[in-house]
Amino acid sequence: DAGVIQSPRHEVTEMGQEVTLRCKPISGHNSLFWYRQTMMRGLELLIYFNNNVPIDDSGMPEDRFSAKMPNASFSTLKIQPSEPRDSAVYFCASEPGLVGEAFFGQGTRLTVV
Amino acid sequence: GNSVTQMEGPVTLSEEAFLTINCTYTATGYPSLFWYVQYPGEGLQLLLKATKADDKGSNKGFEATYRKETTSFHLEKGSVQVSDSAVYFCALSDGGAQKLVFGQGTRLTINP
Repeated sequence: DAGVIQSPRHEVTEMGQEVTLRCKPISGHNSLFWYRQTMMRGLELLIYFNNNVPIDDSGMPEDRFSAKMPNASFSTLKIQPSEPRDSAVYFCASEPGLVGEAFFGQGTRLTVV
Repeated sequence: GNSVTQMEGPVTLSEEAFLTINCTYTATGYPSLFWYVQYPGEGLQLLLKATKADDKGSNKGFEATYRKETTSFHLEKGSVQVSDSAVYFCALSDGGAQKLVFGQGTRLTINP
């Protein structure tokens, strides 16, 4: 298995633009998580899905952020409009159902200028 | 709510030194405990886990014991290598909510 696949690996965009981050979880995993990592705030859970249904989005910073999981093999995290303070590394992770044994993608490094 | 506290970093050691990274937690109920490692430019990887009190998790020479009486899960390795340089995260599973709660991470650098 190729693991959790995220795209793009790097994204540089101008303030105000829409940004879409993509994630393909490991086949057969039924939980998917989106995290954000910054030096200041560390690793933050933004939202997670179980069987494609959003379970907890309390970590989504504001209405500019939205996430979808239209099927078991694909999820997106969208920021519209983007702001410089959104600059971070965004990780997607999936789990096979055993709580805590998460498999992380390599992340998307987002820079908003 | 549930939380995890790790020792402040960064930690710098010489090769073959003994390593301890402290981790304590606050939780209701009986969480599972984990150590994850993040190598430069990569995502986090599960290093080891323990699911109940007095369990010892081990992997790649690293060990940690679930201590309920002290609410701790300290990571240890007897002889570190340069390749162990990474950021280490302690975490607990909030079983009811099905999500991990991470500590702030500890950056470890091993010098040859």
